[in-house]
Order: sequence, then C-alpha cells, then structure tokens
Amino acid sequence: SAVISQKPSRDICQRGTSLTIQCQVDSQVTMMFWYRQQPGQSLTLIATANQGSEATYESGFVIDKFPISRPNLTFSTLTVSNMSPEDSSIYLCSVDLSGYEQYFGPGTRLTVT
Amino acid sequence: AQTVTQSQPEMSVQEAETVTLSCTYDTSENNYYLFWYKQPPSRQMILVIRQEAYKQQNATENRFSVNFQKAAKSFSLKISDSQLGDTAMYFCAFLKYNNNDMRFGAGTRLTVKP
Repeated sequence: SAVISQKPSRDICQRGTSLTIQCQVDSQVTMMFWYRQQPGQSLTLIATANQGSEATYESGFVIDKFPISRPNLTFSTLTVSNMSPEDSSIYLCSVDLSGYEQYFGPGTRLTVT
Repeated sequence: AQTVTQSQPEMSVQEAETVTLSCTYDTSENNYYLFWYKQPPSRQMILVIRQEAYKQQNATENRFSVNFQKAAKSFSLKISDSQLGDTAMYFCAFLKYNNNDMRFGAGTRLTVKP
C-alpha cells in the first residue's frame, strides 16, 4: 500500500473562485487519478494523471474546469476553477501501485456557497 | 461500457452477526478485477478485498469473503462476526484488465447495531 495525503481536507469557497487540491504520495507512482464524489453518490473518475504528460479527462470533464498538474512521481494537483454550488463534492486522489489496485487519499470536502 | 449495480442502498446487521452485500456487473470482458471498498464516515476509501476474474477460488480476507459467480456476473461480499467499526458505505468496483477506468457501484450503507 501507500500513504497518501491530501490538502486541504476541507474548504468552503465562494462562487466564482478557484481551489487547488494537492495530493502527495510517499512513494513514486506512475499513475494518479482524481475522482469526484457528489453528495450521497458514488465515485466518478475525473482524469488520469501521468507524470510528464497531459492528463487524460473522462467524458463530461474538461481541462479548463479541472486543470491538473503532475510535476513529479509523488505529487499532483487538481484545480476546481470558477466554482459553482454544483461543484460541492468530495474530491479524492488515488494511485495505482500494481497495475490493478488503487489506493485512495483521505479526500477533500469542498463546499461552494 | 461496464456497469456495476448494487441493489441494496442500505442494510443493517446486529453486532457479531453475518451480513451479505450484493453486487452485479455487466461486461463483455473475460479478464478483469473486482473490488470491494469501504468508506467510513471519515470518507477514507479503504480496499477491503480483491478478486481476479481468472481465479475460481473466492477471495478471503479475515472476516471478509466474497462469492464470485463469473457466469452470473455476481460478486457479493460476506462480512462475518460484524463489528461496530464495519459501519460504513461499501462500494463494489470493476476494473478491466490493462485499463485504469475503475467503475464503482452506487454503494450500500451498512450499519452495525450493538
């Protein structure tokens, strides 16, 4: 397994602003993932982030709204841009250690007012 | 596309009893992985158990075991000797072989009662 941390753990933001969420892993990993979990819902994959290349976004998610950085093998950021109340969710990062298992960070609870 | 269905939105069980959570999935793939994740109120997603589709033997991790029926595309989770700490949302997940897009079910909220 891996130790994965996320910052911030929670935040309350105003409509129209942006928030950057950080994900740090205690070991080098090739693939990192960002998920959104809307209130009372399951997880939906936003994008896959490989170090040294552009993130790959899933249908319904665009880079302008959710820009992702992956500067090295232990770190990634997800920005939620121009936020609206509909962006209120838990955002989770995960890492793939073995090609078929994902381990998750503790999540960031975002509330947009 | 692969879909994962958890038909039990909520379940409850008495402490020390056994409970089974259901999961079915739809796929045309032959090679894939199935998972059960636990999400307690702390919201940390915790991997409970994993099953490789090519293995006929059901996976077991201490009090947690699965009943994997590949032909029926069914993947249920049995929790034995339920403990209060088992109270959580449980998500069934599907991952196609050599693919990174993990698909999750809607989740089952399990409450263990003292």
